[in-house]
Amino acid sequence: AQKVTQAQTEISVVEKEDVTLDCVYETRDTTYYLFWYKQPPSGELVFLIRRNSFDEQNEISGRYSWNFQKSTSSFNFTITASQVVDSAVYFCALRGNSGYSTLTFGKGTMLLVSP
Amino acid sequence: EPEVTQTPSHQVTQMGQEVILRCVPISNHLYFYWYRQILGQKVEFLVSFYNNEISEKSEIFDDQFSVERPDGSNFTLKIRSTKLEDSAMYFCASLGQKDQPQHFGDGTRLSIL
Repeated sequence: AQKVTQAQTEISVVEKEDVTLDCVYETRDTTYYLFWYKQPPSGELVFLIRRNSFDEQNEISGRYSWNFQKSTSSFNFTITASQVVDSAVYFCALRGNSGYSTLTFGKGTMLLVSP
Repeated sequence: EPEVTQTPSHQVTQMGQEVILRCVPISNHLYFYWYRQILGQKVEFLVSFYNNEISEKSEIFDDQFSVERPDGSNFTLKIRSTKLEDSAMYFCASLGQKDQPQHFGDGTRLSIL
């Protein structure tokens, strides 16, 4: 069985602060994929990043960066210099390599960035 | 960039009525999914569809639910007799190759009165 845990239910920061969203996962698959999605108040799911289990290189995209640590089964997401537009719910998700590529989502972390 | 489109964006239905949620996946994709998100909760898998049949389904996907790909482009989710607890956002997704991310539609918000 697969499981994704996002222990932080809600995080509040002031604009320009850095913030890290935690994600811990469990899977028995040896090959798997990890994802982050953003859900703004309008409700759609916006894809942010995909990571393969065999590629532990960290990634940076503008103000966003991701830290994948297989040894601790974590895939954390950091927003540098947060902005009000970053306010959203962020979901971490896992997809194994078996079956039909179903996504297992965490419960999400609501990020509130105030001016 | 190709998109998954879902209609309607919001559906209001009386309890006990049938409802059909529609999705047009990306045209060359092979795998299709429905997910559900009850307000304030996480996104949950309902069903996957491949090669014109259900490939996997969760325990949420009971006999009240069915899926169809009637014409090679649309992918529909039918709820036969809606209950109050079916109120949720329903997301359709499609996937071309297994090493790629799923593409999600913008969702249909279903409200059961």
